[in-house]
Amino acid sequence: AQSVTQLGSHVSVSEGALVLLRCNYSSSVPPYLFWYVQYPNQGLQLLLKYTSAATLVKGINGFEAEFKKSETSFHLTKPSAHMSDAAEYFCAVTPYSSASKIIFGSGTRLSIRP
Amino acid sequence: GAVVSQHPSWVICKSGTSVKIECRSLDFQATTMFWYRQFPKQSLMLMATSNEGSKATYEQGVEKDKFLINHASLTLSTLTVTSAHPEDSSFYICSARDPSGYEQYFGPGTRLTVT
Repeated sequence: AQSVTQLGSHVSVSEGALVLLRCNYSSSVPPYLFWYVQYPNQGLQLLLKYTSAATLVKGINGFEAEFKKSETSFHLTKPSAHMSDAAEYFCAVTPYSSASKIIFGSGTRLSIRP
Repeated sequence: GAVVSQHPSWVICKSGTSVKIECRSLDFQATTMFWYRQFPKQSLMLMATSNEGSKATYEQGVEKDKFLINHASLTLSTLTVTSAHPEDSSFYICSARDPSGYEQYFGPGTRLTVT
């Protein structure tokens, strides 16, 4: 079975500071991993995805994430936060071996301080 | 990139009435679509998996007779909330599976308010 744990339901950083959103996964088979962003009253937008190729994945809006199998982690980072990054972020997993449903983490709300 | 639309984007209805929400994949064919429900400040909860030409697969605890799903074509799935009640008020999001098999593309969501 697959599961995702996002550490920290709310993260607040200053504009220009490093953004680090944590995600740990549990999967009995090699996973596909995703990070999505959701702005208020909107659907989900894919930031980036890991599909067993490069372990360091670059996404849109300057975000990147590193797949670390030994730590079962897929943390999301951005070197310099921008006010427009304030949103809800979801980490998600789906098994590599078959097309199946995506399991979402509980989400992390990112706030940016001026 | 792949685009999924939902209609309506928001709807207000009276208790006891039924509401239909449409989910369309605009530039690709989706044999599988998913319906999620999201409460305020919470994550997405999968309600059901919709397969074209066959019955939907509902998650445990989701009432099949209340949330009717129809996937009549490769680009359209509908969710009908029957005999809606205030507790059905929520944000409903659909997604369509990429033909390659693992990625999902999400619609913009539908805000349902039952008065």
